Amino acid sequence: DAGITQSPRHKVTETGTPVTLRCHQTENHRYMYWYRQDPGHGLRLIHYSYGVKDTDKGEVSDGYSVSRSKTEDFLLTLESATSSQTSVYFCAISGTSGDTGELFFGEGSRLTVL
Amino acid sequence: AQSVTQLDSQVPVFEEAPVELRCNYSSSVSVYLFWYVQYPNQGLQLLLKYLSGSTLVKGINGFEAEFNKSQTSFHLRKPSVHISDTAEYFCAVSQTGANNLFFGTGTRLTVIP
Repeated sequence: DAGITQSPRHKVTETGTPVTLRCHQTENHRYMYWYRQDPGHGLRLIHYSYGVKDTDKGEVSDGYSVSRSKTEDFLLTLESATSSQTSVYFCAISGTSGDTGELFFGEGSRLTVL
Repeated sequence: AQSVTQLDSQVPVFEEAPVELRCNYSSSVSVYLFWYVQYPNQGLQLLLKYLSGSTLVKGINGFEAEFNKSQTSFHLRKPSVHISDTAEYFCAVSQTGANNLFFGTGTRLTVIP
């Protein structure tokens, strides 16, 4: 199994509070992704990174920011959580560019915003 | 722009029966196609992918898919399903040269004993 660890795995928070989810990889892969999974929507890309300090927006990036200061860590931050951000968040990594490479997924972080 | 359509949100099928999960995509450029599987409370894992070459692609666990460019489809098939195939299946597409995948909304396959 690919070495991907997401933390926390479960979190309940209140509207307006900041939240940070962490993705840690031991594979030294270049590409890292954050997706959210919601019923009826499948997986939607939030942000991705193609190297240290190199990030780009996905299709649902509003309300989220990311940072990657080291190859192994990719952080997703909700500056002020809203109920619409209740979701399951998945981190994924790839050793090659996302178009042809296989994505390896973490086990997900379930976030509930009350 | 590209998109993926999985018309069937749920597919029940009896054990040892064949199954087909449908996937259609839209794109104005060349694409790569993928099927991923998600077992309960787990992340996704790759079943198979089409990048080029033979349009019939074989994957893990006895699954296969056929790329049909004229019908813009990439349907997933298995001739005989097992209880352990119960999971959610996602079709995904990427545009050549892009850095990410676009996923369909998923099809929940339930295998009935």
